[in-house]
Parts: sequence; structure tokens; C-alpha cells
Amino acid sequence: EPEVTQTPSHQVTQMGQEVILRCVPISNHLYFYWYRQILGQKVEFLVSFYNNEISEKSEIFDDQFSVERPDGSNFTLKIRSTKLEDSAMYFCASFRDRGGEQYFGPGTRLTVT
Amino acid sequence: RKEVEQDPGPFNVPEGATVAFNCTYSNSASQSFFWYRQDCRKEPKLLMSVYSSGNEDGRFTAQLNRASQYISLLIRDSKLSDSATYLCVVNGDTGNQFYFGTGTSLTVIP
Repeated sequence: EPEVTQTPSHQVTQMGQEVILRCVPISNHLYFYWYRQILGQKVEFLVSFYNNEISEKSEIFDDQFSVERPDGSNFTLKIRSTKLEDSAMYFCASFRDRGGEQYFGPGTRLTVT
Repeated sequence: RKEVEQDPGPFNVPEGATVAFNCTYSNSASQSFFWYRQDCRKEPKLLMSVYSSGNEDGRFTAQLNRASQYISLLIRDSKLSDSATYLCVVNGDTGNQFYFGTGTSLTVIP
């Protein structure tokens, strides 16, 4: 069964450093999302991406964040200068049809020290 | 304003019990509704979509009340493996954004 993969599974970084979180969505999917979940809190939408551009972003997704789909398979989330409060689990999700089932990757746990 | 509200629980029920979870949403323009389950430190996984007429999948029944902006999930004959956090998910008015509730924790006790 196809699945969304994410790397790394855990990333530890120092405050102020740049991190890139990587996702490989399911190959025939068209919509790509990033979410984050701070420990003990709810899943929060960050950004949606369709047709090689951002379709919507939340208030959390400020200038420190960017997304790219550099080739036909990868979908990346970059945080330019990490803050302590960026520590969270980051989930990538993809789906084929708008309104359809979102498939989530296993997540990357980001720890900012 | 919370887009999606759920009773966080926890719900502790014996095996075989029937349990119901409720969720309310604030945006009357929302069109897509889902229940996901999330196991501890894992990714959310779709349990079922919620359709206007209500829908059933085995032991699980979902209902939508658009007038009251209310969604429910009923689990019959609870199994130990049903222990998880159940997330109510609703899309925003553009359709591109999805809002998650804080989740309702369920523990099924032998």
C-alpha cells in the first residue's frame, strides 16, 4: 500500500539554525499539506500546496517558513531560524481529490534547544 | 474562537460498551467532515468521512447535523484496540484548510 514518508524521524537543532523537513507524498496525489502538533496539543494546519504553489497558509506560517516541491517527488518544509516554540511534531499529508482522504506521514519530531 | 470543539475526555469504558463522541464546528460554510484516530505519538489516520445522511462502517456510525453544526461518532461493542484519541476534522470555507479538534481520549478497559 502506498504511503507518505518523512525524513528525518527526529531532528534536534539549536535555536536560530535552519532546518529542512522532507516528505515524499504518495505519487499520484495532487494536494500536499504540512501540519504541526506541539506535544499534548491539537494538530494545527500550516500550509497547503497545489499545482506548485501555496493555496493557503495559516497565521503560524510566517516568513520563517517556506515550502518547496523541488522535483516530482519531494515536498519540503524549511524553517529559516528556529525558535524554541517551533519544537513539535511536523506531519506531512497528501491526497488526490479535494475533500478526499488525507494520508499522513509518520511525522518528524523537531526539538529546538 | 475555536473552529472545532470536542470534549477531551478521557472516556474509560469496558470492553463491549457503546460510547459516543461529539464535536461542534463554528464555520457554517464547512463542507467536509472527518473522524480520525491518533494513537500515542503517531500520525492521525482516517477513521471515516462524515456524510450529510449519516454513515456507518462496521461498529462505527457517524452523524452530521448541519443546522446545529454538530458531528458525532458512535462506537459500538468497544474493543481494546479502539483505545486512542479521536479527532474531529472540518475543512475551512476555502476548502484548502483543515481544522482539527483537540481530540477525545478513549481507553477501553478489559
